[in-house]
Amino acid sequence: QKEVEQNSGPLSVPEGAIASLNCTYSDRGSQSFFWYRQYSGKSPELIMFIYSNGDKEDGRFTAQLNKASQYVSLLIRDSQPSDSATYLCAVNGFTGSRNDMRFGAGTRLTVKP
Amino acid sequence: DAGVTQSPTHLIKTRGQHVTLRCSPISGHKSVSWYQQVLGQGPQFIFQYYEKEERGRGNFPDRFSARQFPNYSSELNVNALLLGDSALYLCASSQLDGTYNEQFFGPGTRLTVL
Repeated sequence: QKEVEQNSGPLSVPEGAIASLNCTYSDRGSQSFFWYRQYSGKSPELIMFIYSNGDKEDGRFTAQLNKASQYVSLLIRDSQPSDSATYLCAVNGFTGSRNDMRFGAGTRLTVKP
Repeated sequence: DAGVTQSPTHLIKTRGQHVTLRCSPISGHKSVSWYQQVLGQGPQFIFQYYEKEERGRGNFPDRFSARQFPNYSSELNVNALLLGDSALYLCASSQLDGTYNEQFFGPGTRLTVL
């Protein structure tokens, strides 16, 4: 089992739709969870972080965390073509270390006008 | 405020050579982490430094080393380069040490080993 696994892409949604990105992690002791957006040829850009079970909303983005299921997701409402990018799920606190952030391979999202 | 800066932007080396990559964190940030990102994969953790001390190390060979300076900037050194070291090397800074600190990435250094 991969340490951080994201739903296989690519994911394609029409403009204005909701895009749903999923991530599972293997270490139950993981403590903090991040979503990064990476445009082609660029570095990752932090868009959301979540530490507690439940939902966290920021504008069009909602992060959801369920530690019991070891599952974290990102919803993008009213998707725009500018949201087209690779979305990386990152998990910190692996193996009890505070400083060992593990990334998934990413899900490529395309928003079609 | 300036973000994380890295130099050089691109680098071409041959097998067996040595390379030094540099990173300056966001002003006020004391922690620097290094990652390697191979095409099609997520970043892989190499090192984390806080207040000049190594606080975390990923599963990389001893050819990889790093240090942090009193001004919180950092260097990543890679010796005896292999073709497989070709990747985007990312530096990320965070304000403090610990799990609950958001990390912000620099633009990266694209290393090509021939």
